[in-house]
Amino acid sequence: AIQLTQSPSSLSASVGDRVIITCRASQGISNALAWYQQKPGKPPKLLIYDASSLESGVPSKFSGSGSGTDFTLTISSLQPEDFATYYCQQFRINPPTFGGGTKVENK
Amino acid sequence: QVQLQESGPGLVKPSETLSLTCTVSGDSISSGHYFWSWVRQPAGKGLEWIGRIYVSGGTNYNPSLKSRVDISVDTSKNQFALKLTSVTAADTAVYYCVRPKWSGYHVFEYWGQGALVTVSS
Repeated sequence: AIQLTQSPSSLSASVGDRVIITCRASQGISNALAWYQQKPGKPPKLLIYDASSLESGVPSKFSGSGSGTDFTLTISSLQPEDFATYYCQQFRINPPTFGGGTKVENK
Repeated sequence: QVQLQESGPGLVKPSETLSLTCTVSGDSISSGHYFWSWVRQPAGKGLEWIGRIYVSGGTNYNPSLKSRVDISVDTSKNQFALKLTSVTAADTAVYYCVRPKWSGYHVFEYWGQGALVTVSS
């Protein structure tokens, strides 16, 4: 199965900060990558698919980039509602797999 | 609005079978437009795809769980179900039923609220 390595595993940031999370795949997956946001006690929420396409209703402060093995999720200006855990997920090759998550905490 | 709701026992004994049902509303499983999946998440840990089913009954499972998993569908009730046999404490997790954004793609747009299943004697 394809391994996805997210970094960092956690970070502390302040409101207004620009936050960048990276996801590296163990082999090339083209642009078959999605990003999810998860808050405690809630299911994941789809933010980005096809590496850079913004899901309907998701604010434009979220953006994704990358192709092949290296991907990033950027939050342009962190807001209080963005403190959460973020997961990447590949869907190029079965089984679909998820990264280990990045917890964004309030500094 | 598509909604998914998991149901089933919250406590299962080791070596027994975990059984969960997902009831779908706002969409018809029998339309055949999508496959329907299960994903699980141990407390404080990451997400693991378990498997999926098509309305035809065709299934695909994660190789890591394949020998213990069975996913079935009941179109008359608009439900699909998960059975996981020979459970251990490592199977303690929140189990989600999910529907993808498009047919054929594992991009998960709709999620149930999740069902916590604890494996303990």
